[in-house]
Amino acid sequence: QKEVEQNSGPLSVPEGAIASLNCTYSDRGSQSFFWYRQYSGKSPELIMFIYSNGDKEDGRFTAQLNKASQYVSLLIRDSQPSDSATYLCAFYAGGTSYGKLTFGQGTILTVHP
Amino acid sequence: DTGVSQDPRHKITKRGQNVTFRCDPISEHNRLYWYRQTLGQGPEFLTYFQNEAQLEKSRLLSDRFSAERPKGSFSTLEIQRTEQGDSAMYLCASSLRPSGRGNEQFFGPGTRLTVL
Repeated sequence: QKEVEQNSGPLSVPEGAIASLNCTYSDRGSQSFFWYRQYSGKSPELIMFIYSNGDKEDGRFTAQLNKASQYVSLLIRDSQPSDSATYLCAFYAGGTSYGKLTFGQGTILTVHP
Repeated sequence: DTGVSQDPRHKITKRGQNVTFRCDPISEHNRLYWYRQTLGQGPEFLTYFQNEAQLEKSRLLSDRFSAERPKGSFSTLEIQRTEQGDSAMYLCASSLRPSGRGNEQFFGPGTRLTVL
């Protein structure tokens, strides 16, 4: 079982729709969860992080965490063509992992006009 | 520019050659990470420095790979006797605090290595 699995893509949504990106993880000791966005040929940039169960909203983005189900998601409301990118889910396990992040394989999102 | 910088941005080499990459973290960040990313995959952790101490190495980091961070500032990643399987994007990241409670790792632009 992979440590982090993201919903298979690519995901295509029309402009203005809600894009839903999902991620499951296997390490129950995971402390913090991150969503990074990566444009083609560029490095990852942080969109949001979450470490408590429930929802966290930041502008058009909402992260949801359910530690019992080992599930984290990212909702993008009012999707824009500029949101088209690969979205990477990552977790920090804490303890002796010294801050390393474990990433999923990414989900490619395309927002079409 | 106060972000993470990496040099070179692109490197093409022949199989069997040695290559060295450099990373300059954000100046006040004492934590530095190296990751490797292949096409269609997320970044994979390679190694971690806190100041000049290398505190963690991934099993991915074979004996051909070595990393240093002298004086706790910039870092170098050397690959000896490169193989075609080493072709990837090598990403460097830095942070001020551990990743708990969402402390962000800032990524550099990466060095794309192609081994012919």
